[in-house]
Amino acid sequence: NAGVTQTPKFRVLKTGQSMTLLCAQDMNHEYMYWYRQDPGMGLRLIHYSVGEGTTAKGEVPDGYNVSRLKKQNFLLGLESAAPSQTSVYFCASSYSKGADTQYFGPGTRLTVL
Amino acid sequence: TQLLEQSPQFLSIQEGENLTVYCNSSSVFSSLQWYRQEPGEGPVLLVTVVTGGEVKKLKRLTFQFGDARKDSSLHITAAQTGDTGLYLCAGDGSSNTGKLIFGQGTTLQVKP
Repeated sequence: NAGVTQTPKFRVLKTGQSMTLLCAQDMNHEYMYWYRQDPGMGLRLIHYSVGEGTTAKGEVPDGYNVSRLKKQNFLLGLESAAPSQTSVYFCASSYSKGADTQYFGPGTRLTVL
Repeated sequence: TQLLEQSPQFLSIQEGENLTVYCNSSSVFSSLQWYRQEPGEGPVLLVTVVTGGEVKKLKRLTFQFGDARKDSSLHITAAQTGDTGLYLCAGDGSSNTGKLIFGQGTTLQVKP
């Protein structure tokens, strides 16, 4: 099992460009999450999904959109990238909510110039 | 807004020393987790505590959940260089939604 994988691992964008980050999990988990990690700020939840076809806003959703068309995939989109979106993005998945373990991918390092 | 404050934010110690990392909040959490993250990788779960006053041990690591479920601590005995990394606490709000609130992290450096 690959667990949680993220594509791409690194990306550099210019302000105003768009891109999609792909997260895939092979553990048949219902719940999936997108976080961003910035120095000294821990991880902050962007959007999450409680099942195929569902999405919901997290703590910092502005400037991002998501889709969960298939249970195993969770896509994070940036329609018009801004320098403030320079960050490391982590995807995670879990079988259920609450005290259940969240399994994280290796991260995508995004730089917006 | 629920917040988790970790302290200290950075800790540099010699191998063999003991240390404690704190995770505090004014809010109640239904559960609290501790993760460890190495450079270039995603966080990995160390432990989950769900009951007020609960103590869990993982080899040289001892985790405690406060009686009021508002705070937690991680104690490492006789630290080793392999303990070096970023330690994150994360709480699931009292509504038990699965949306984790993370502390800002504690960077631990253990020198040989």
